[in-house]
Amino acid sequence: AQSVTQLDSQVPVFEEAPVELRCNYSSSVSVYLFWYVQYPNQGLQLLLKYLSGSTLVESINGFEAEFNKSQTSFHLRKPSVHISDTAEYFCAVSDPNAGNMLTFGGGTRLMVKP
Amino acid sequence: EAQVTQNPRYLITVTGKKLTVTCSQNMNHEHMSWYRQDPGLGLRQIYYSMNVEVTDKGDVPEGYKVSRKEKRNFPLILESPSPNQTSLYFCASSLSGGFVDTQYFGPGTRLTVL
Repeated sequence: AQSVTQLDSQVPVFEEAPVELRCNYSSSVSVYLFWYVQYPNQGLQLLLKYLSGSTLVESINGFEAEFNKSQTSFHLRKPSVHISDTAEYFCAVSDPNAGNMLTFGGGTRLMVKP
Repeated sequence: EAQVTQNPRYLITVTGKKLTVTCSQNMNHEHMSWYRQDPGLGLRQIYYSMNVEVTDKGDVPEGYKVSRKEKRNFPLILESPSPNQTSLYFCASSLSGGFVDTQYFGPGTRLTVL
């Protein structure tokens, strides 16, 4: 079974500072990888995903994540955060050969301070 | 507006009293899932459905039932709720299985079982 580890449960950061949210997964086979964001009192929204091809994927609001197969990681980064980025972020993995199960990490709460 | 709706949004009930949480999507999606969200555990998949009359267990199906009689609806049934089912529940849908297509989440149902 897949597992996903988000190493930090909370990440406090000042506005305009860079941030990295870490994600490691257990599978050694090919995977699909996702980052979802959950704003307060809302459902989850897809932020970005890696299915194949370029290992660096980007979102429309300045986040990026890099798939590193050798380290089984998919860390999320942003060079300069805004107050509006305050939310909980979830990393998730699925096995494309066993297509309908999605495994989430425990979540990282990003707290952007002015 | 394309959306996933859930009802009720909040529910307080007592142990053993059967309840149903409804989920409906208006996007003609084939794939639907139910998740529960608990602090520190992220989201865990309860059941999923690939299409009408096709359902399968996720990671934590015990104590839950689902049905998929129509493409748009995917209700979650708790026949005899217990306090350990107190959680935040999300329904989600996507065009097809495998998570290649974007998964859209409902707003969540907060369930408390006393």
